Amino acid sequence: AQSVAQPEDQVNVAEGNPLTVKCTYSVSGNPYLFWYVQYPNRGLQFLLKYITGDNLVKGSYGFEAEFNKSQTSFHLKKPSALVSDSALYFCAVRAYNTDKLIFGTGTRLQVFP
Amino acid sequence: KAGVTQTPRYLIKTRGQQVTLSCSPISGHRSVSWYQQTPGQGLQFLFEYFSETQRNKGNFPGRFSGRQFSNSRSEMNVSTLELGDSALYLCASSGGTANTGELFFGEGSRLTVL
Repeated sequence: AQSVAQPEDQVNVAEGNPLTVKCTYSVSGNPYLFWYVQYPNRGLQFLLKYITGDNLVKGSYGFEAEFNKSQTSFHLKKPSALVSDSALYFCAVRAYNTDKLIFGTGTRLQVFP
Repeated sequence: KAGVTQTPRYLIKTRGQQVTLSCSPISGHRSVSWYQQTPGQGLQFLFEYFSETQRNKGNFPGRFSGRQFSNSRSEMNVSTLELGDSALYLCASSGGTANTGELFFGEGSRLTVL
């Protein structure tokens, strides 16, 4: 069975500092991995995905993620955090040939000025 | 290009009633899926439709149902509402055909059951 874990409920970081939001996964076969962000009272916005290719994936708003097969991780990173990055972040894995996304429990990112 | 449109955005119902939520996917997208978001259970997959056929179904009771029309618009219905059905219901669309691309989500319909 496929699953995703986000071990941190909340991550706090000062503006201008680098940020990391952790995600580990468990899948059989090749993983299709995604990061989404949710602002209050809004839907989910796509940030980036890993399907195949380079392990370092660049996405929207300066975010990037590193796929690590040996550690089954897909951590979200940003070199310099902004207060406006404060939101709820979800990691997800997608089953092949379906639109079924399995989400992690979400990590609330709080960036302090 | 218009995004995924969900209606209504907010609604309040009482226990025992039924509700229908609507989703219009991005133009050209043939796959629509539905998710329930609650503070306790997080994001849970409800079902997925492609070309008017249900392709996948999550672990929800039969009170939850859906359908897709020939223009790819989709509706989901919840009958005999319970307090625990209070949630944000999110619709997503994608190209659908064996693709591994991202899903595009609407703003959601927030259902409150009193």
